[in-house]
Amino acid sequence: AQSVSQHNHHVILSEAASLELGCNYSYGGTVNLFWYVQYPGQHLQLLLKYFSGDPLVKGIKGFEAEFIKSKFSFNLRKPSVQWSDTAEYFCAVIPDSNYQLIWGAGTKLIIKP
Amino acid sequence: DGGITQSPKYLFRKEGQNVTLSCEQNLNHDAMYWYRQDPGQGLRLIYYSQIVNDFQKGDIAEGYSVSREKKESFPLTVTSAQKNPTAFYLCASSMVRSGNGYTFGSGTRLTVV
Repeated sequence: AQSVSQHNHHVILSEAASLELGCNYSYGGTVNLFWYVQYPGQHLQLLLKYFSGDPLVKGIKGFEAEFIKSKFSFNLRKPSVQWSDTAEYFCAVIPDSNYQLIWGAGTKLIIKP
Repeated sequence: DGGITQSPKYLFRKEGQNVTLSCEQNLNHDAMYWYRQDPGQGLRLIYYSQIVNDFQKGDIAEGYSVSREKKESFPLTVTSAQKNPTAFYLCASSMVRSGNGYTFGSGTRLTVV
């Protein structure tokens, strides 16, 4: 079955630390890849997405993600986090077989000021 | 502005009652989705609809019902058969087969009292 795994359920960092959130998916075909973010009390927003081309994708608020096809991974990174990055982050995949989003379980990120 | 509107934002229900959550979109999207979000479990698909007057069960459809009489509207009824209805409910929409990700509403928090 197609699935998405996010490695950490909770991550706690200090401000200015570097961030990497892991995401792996299980599907051998073509995929579109997404990271969504949900800030406290707000709705889910698209952070960045990858469809094709340069595997290093830049999103909003200084986030980026790298698609490594051989590893079935799409890890999210940010060189220096801020307190305002405290949120829950979801990785999601649309396989070309069914065009529906398959979600990871989410990672709660807490940034200590 | 185009978007998805969910109402109400907060809803309280007595045990044994049915309640209906509203979801309206003006994005001209074909597909609409209902998710349930619980802490530590990510997003779980309840129902989805890719065309008017047609809908499909998701992973956790038991105790829920939907209708899709209009393209813009996809209300969700949480019935008394749903054993654990207290949760955050998210509605989303997308173009069918676009692979372009979803647009989300701001959610409804349902509490059974």
